[in-house]
Amino acid sequence: KQEVTQIPAALSVPEGENLVLNCSFTDSAIYNLQWFRQDPGKGLTSLLLIQSSQREQTSGRLNASLDKSSGRSTLYIAASQPGDSATYLCAVTDSWGKLQFGAGTQVVVTP
Amino acid sequence: EAGVTQFPSHSVIEKGQTVTLRCDPISGHDNLYWYRRVMGKEIKFLLHFVKESKQDESGMPNNRFLAERTGGTYSTLKVQPAELEDSGVYFCASSQASGDSYNEQFFGPGTRLTVL
Repeated sequence: KQEVTQIPAALSVPEGENLVLNCSFTDSAIYNLQWFRQDPGKGLTSLLLIQSSQREQTSGRLNASLDKSSGRSTLYIAASQPGDSATYLCAVTDSWGKLQFGAGTQVVVTP
Repeated sequence: EAGVTQFPSHSVIEKGQTVTLRCDPISGHDNLYWYRRVMGKEIKFLLHFVKESKQDESGMPNNRFLAERTGGTYSTLKVQPAELEDSGVYFCASSQASGDSYNEQFFGPGTRLTVL
């Protein structure tokens, strides 16, 4: 049974520091991995999608890596800003197409 | 282009009543998913439609939940009768069809259901 774990559960950094968010999964038979952002009371915003054949994906200040064999993904956010404060979720797609989520990392970027 | 929309945004009902949630996926997306987050837990999969057919309903908690997607467009999720443990946020997501691979899923804002 697939389990997705995100560490740490919460993180607070001063503005300008780089953020490093970790995601691990127990079953390497995934189709892809998605990182999402959720603001309080809002839906999920897709940030990056990494296909299982890819090692990393970049979008602006965001970079996500994937090591499928070891069951790990890391989301890097460069030069954090207060607007980056949110909960970040990772989810893996299984062979049936459904997403399995981690519990999320709550990020606070202080001015 | 409009994103995934859900209605209502919030519903408060009494135990034993019926509630119907609606999801309108992004136009042209054949795949439609329902997920749920209950208090303090991870977001969990409920079911997956491909067009009007149920591809996977392994996450549906019990037979009080009924999902439909008539005509392969919008979907409804009915809870009848509602119980206290059904409270949570119900998310809908959609993605394009792409052969055997699975594409990026786009989520709606969710419906917050409170059962009193």
